[in-house]
Amino acid sequence: DAGVIQSPRHEVTEMGQEVTLRCKPISGHNSLFWYRQTMMRGLELLIYFNNNVPIDDSGMPEDRFSAKMPNASFSTLKIQPSEPRDSAVYFCASSLGPGGLYFGPGTRLTVT
Amino acid sequence: EDQVTQSPEALRLQEGESSSLNCSYTVSGLRGLFWYRQDPGKGPEFLFTLYSAGEEKEKERLKATLTKKESFLHITAPKPEDSATYLCAVLTSGNTPLVFGKGTRLSVIA
Repeated sequence: DAGVIQSPRHEVTEMGQEVTLRCKPISGHNSLFWYRQTMMRGLELLIYFNNNVPIDDSGMPEDRFSAKMPNASFSTLKIQPSEPRDSAVYFCASSLGPGGLYFGPGTRLTVT
Repeated sequence: EDQVTQSPEALRLQEGESSSLNCSYTVSGLRGLFWYRQDPGKGPEFLFTLYSAGEEKEKERLKATLTKKESFLHITAPKPEDSATYLCAVLTSGNTPLVFGKGTRLSVIA
C-alpha cells in the first residue's frame, strides 16, 4: 500500500494568495483527518470526515479555511486568502474507525 | 476538557543510557493511548496502542506502559537511530478523534 499521499510537499506563496492542499487516504479507510503542526502549538486537529461527511470542523481557525471530501479517495484543504501566520506543516491522516491514525508526509506551507 | 501533557520537552541521552518519557492525561473515559514516532520532515508513525491500566507493549528497545493517569515510554540502551520526536495521543469515550500531546524530542548521542 502506498500509504497516505499528500501534495504538494512544499508550498511557498505570498500573502493573500489561495492555497490548496491535497490528500489521498489509504484505500478502505473511512475516516480522514486534517492536522496542522507548529512548534508552539504541536499537532492541532482542523477537521475530520467520516465516510466523506464532515463531522467536526471546530478546529478550523477561520472562515479562510475550508475542506472538502468529494469522494472516498480524495480530500482538499483550502486557505483563501492565505496569511503569514498560516505557515505550518499540514498533515492528512486516515484510519479505519477510531484510534490508530496513519499520517501522510505532510505539506510544509510558507506564506510570505 | 481532555488534556495530554508530555515530559520532558526535550531529552538528550548518550548511546546506551536508558531513560523514560512520560505522558500524563486528564480525560473523560480513556478508550486507548497511542504512541507515535516522528522523524524530521515526516509524518508521525504509529508505534503502540495501550487500552487498559497495567498493559505493556514492547518493540525492540522501546517498551510502553500504562497506568490510570499516565503512560511511560521506556527506552533501553538507545542508539542514535532512536533520535526522533515521540508523541502520545489519547482516544476518549466521547466521539472525538485523538488528542495529541506536544511531544518529547529525543536526541541520542554516539
